[in-house]
Amino acid sequence: AQSVTQLDSQVPVFEEAPVELRCNYSSSVSVYLFWYVQYPNQGLQLLLKYLSGSTLVKGINGFEAEFNKSQTSFHLRKPSVHISDTAEYFCAVSEGSGGGADGLTFGKGTHLIIQP
Amino acid sequence: DGGITQSPKYLFRKEGQNVTLSCEQNLNHDAMYWYRQDPGQGLRLIYYSQIVNDFQKGDIAEGYSVSREKKESFPLTVTSAQKNPTAFYLCASSSDISTYGYTFGSGTRLTVV
Repeated sequence: AQSVTQLDSQVPVFEEAPVELRCNYSSSVSVYLFWYVQYPNQGLQLLLKYLSGSTLVKGINGFEAEFNKSQTSFHLRKPSVHISDTAEYFCAVSEGSGGGADGLTFGKGTHLIIQP
Repeated sequence: DGGITQSPKYLFRKEGQNVTLSCEQNLNHDAMYWYRQDPGQGLRLIYYSQIVNDFQKGDIAEGYSVSREKKESFPLTVTSAQKNPTAFYLCASSSDISTYGYTFGSGTRLTVV
């Protein structure tokens, strides 16, 4: 079975500073990895995904993430955050190679707080 | 535009009552999912369905029931057997989860009063 650990429940950052949100996973098979963002009282929106190929993945709103197989990590980064980036961020994993039909496994989320 | 519609957005229920949450999609997705979200707990899978007239229990199915009579619809019933039903409920669908992940609805916040 796979699992996801988001190491920080909250990350406060000043506006225009860089940020990294950490995600580690465990799985006995190859995986696909996702980052989602959730604004208050809304559903989740896909930021980016890693399926295969280049380990650096670019997503929407200036976010990017790097897949590191040896460290089983998929950390999310943004070089300069804006007040509108304040939200909850979720890392998720599914089994690769056609698997994952029984659903994504989510981490517990990281609340990104942007301070002016 | 295609998407997933959850209704109602806010729902209040008295203890001991069953309540049904609606989830409709017009994306022509085969698979649909229900998740429960509690503060600091992330998303936990309640039920999922990969095809019409078939569904499977997720990690926290006790006290919940579902049906999948149509491809577009996957309603969730929170029964009186669910001991702590106050939560935010999210519905999602997917055509190919490993490639595209999920499309989410905007959620229903259920409060037991």
